[in-house]
Amino acid sequence: DAKTTQPTSMDCAEGRAANLPCNHSTISGNEYVYWYRQIHSQGPQYIIHGLKNNETNEMASLIITEDRKSSTLILPHATLRDTAVYYCIVRVGGKLIFGQGTELSVKP
Amino acid sequence: DAGVTQSPTHLIKTRGQHVTLRCSPISGHKSVSWYQQVLGQGPQFIFQYYEKEERGRGNFPDRFSARQFPNYSSELNVNALLLGDSALYLCASRDRQGSLFGRWTSGKYNEQFFGPGTRLTVL
Repeated sequence: DAKTTQPTSMDCAEGRAANLPCNHSTISGNEYVYWYRQIHSQGPQYIIHGLKNNETNEMASLIITEDRKSSTLILPHATLRDTAVYYCIVRVGGKLIFGQGTELSVKP
Repeated sequence: DAGVTQSPTHLIKTRGQHVTLRCSPISGHKSVSWYQQVLGQGPQFIFQYYEKEERGRGNFPDRFSARQFPNYSSELNVNALLLGDSALYLCASRDRQGSLFGRWTSGKYNEQFFGPGTRLTVL
């Protein structure tokens, strides 16, 4: 069973920041939060991951609450090509436990 | 550098048949995992192999089996195909297993890189 819950879908205007929330209230102290995205019919693409500190890379920022029970993925300037299903994942052992993900639609 | 490659891209089988799917990891990666993604759902973990040994198995029947070869490529086999086996089968590779003496490590070595998948249709 997935250990994360996400909204089913979200819309975002092109050029604006997209903020994708995720709840992982049962996360254990040594479990990482990963974000992947999947563009239609392609393999999932790694975005970012973190343990307890906020993280930033060339694609996105990850904000993790102090209690680690939730996190937010931020795409600072969404483009049409960011339209995809975004998965928030808690890694359990060597496997990624995917939930249903959030379908992000970036609109012109 | 070549990413994870999978073959075939698409496959059509009939119920009761068996199928073999193939995966070549990124050069230097020793861990391969297999996932099944049914339409409209997130990928579900099937197997993980590291250094040619099974290191993890998801909740799938014994009809599903896999192996990893000395060059770290991998095969996923499914016997007695059912209609419900129709899905996108994804392979992911990682530099290492991800756990060192029970302590999970971070960094780029634990990123899983996915291939494009094999679309299996069972009629």
